[in-house]
Amino acid sequence: QQQVKQSPQSLIVQKGGISIINCAYENTAFDYFPWYQQFPGKGPALLIAIRPDVSEKKEGRFTISFNKSAKQFSLHIMDSQPGDSATYFCAASISSGNTPLVFGKGTRLSVIA
Amino acid sequence: DAGVTQSPTHLIKTRGQQVTLRCSPISGHKSVSWYQQVLGQGPQFIFQYYEKEERGRGNFPDRFSARQFPNYSSELNVNALLLGDSALYLCASSLHPDRNYGYTFGSGTRLTVV
Repeated sequence: QQQVKQSPQSLIVQKGGISIINCAYENTAFDYFPWYQQFPGKGPALLIAIRPDVSEKKEGRFTISFNKSAKQFSLHIMDSQPGDSATYFCAASISSGNTPLVFGKGTRLSVIA
Repeated sequence: DAGVTQSPTHLIKTRGQQVTLRCSPISGHKSVSWYQQVLGQGPQFIFQYYEKEERGRGNFPDRFSARQFPNYSSELNVNALLLGDSALYLCASSLHPDRNYGYTFGSGTRLTVV
């Protein structure tokens, strides 16, 4: 059972454009939703995270939008740059208690000049 | 400050063999978790250890085992390797097992089973 569904599988965006990646979750007990960025040969690195008490969180060019009623959250990358080309994973967990991160299958983003 | 250190970086093993992967957490981090990342997929949880005790286990067969040492480093062992065990094995450390929002991942060990 896949608890976190991520789309699209791959994404090509022009430099300066907006990249949008979507995730949907099933477990209503999840209360921590991070996004990870992974470059080839590296482990995932935390990019930005949100909790369900807010609907949006912005850090620089990266924004998470969260819709609790729809059980969906998304990552927006504004002014996308070639250096943003990587694989992005959404994840979810229960922040209190011994619960591991559940990851989506990932989105491979390519930003072309 | 050193990040999460994993060794070896790459490994090639034959079916049926056994393998041991190693992880050193960030200084001060007492919890270590192991994840398996198959090519083209997201990481899948294998184990979590805290203070040398197993705190969680994912849906993996008994061929997978792990332990944590007094210095909080950890080993992941996989016996009777199958071709399907080929993956990137990631170690993540955090201050406390209940605070997985502080996860930091290592660069992983790429295991290839032939």
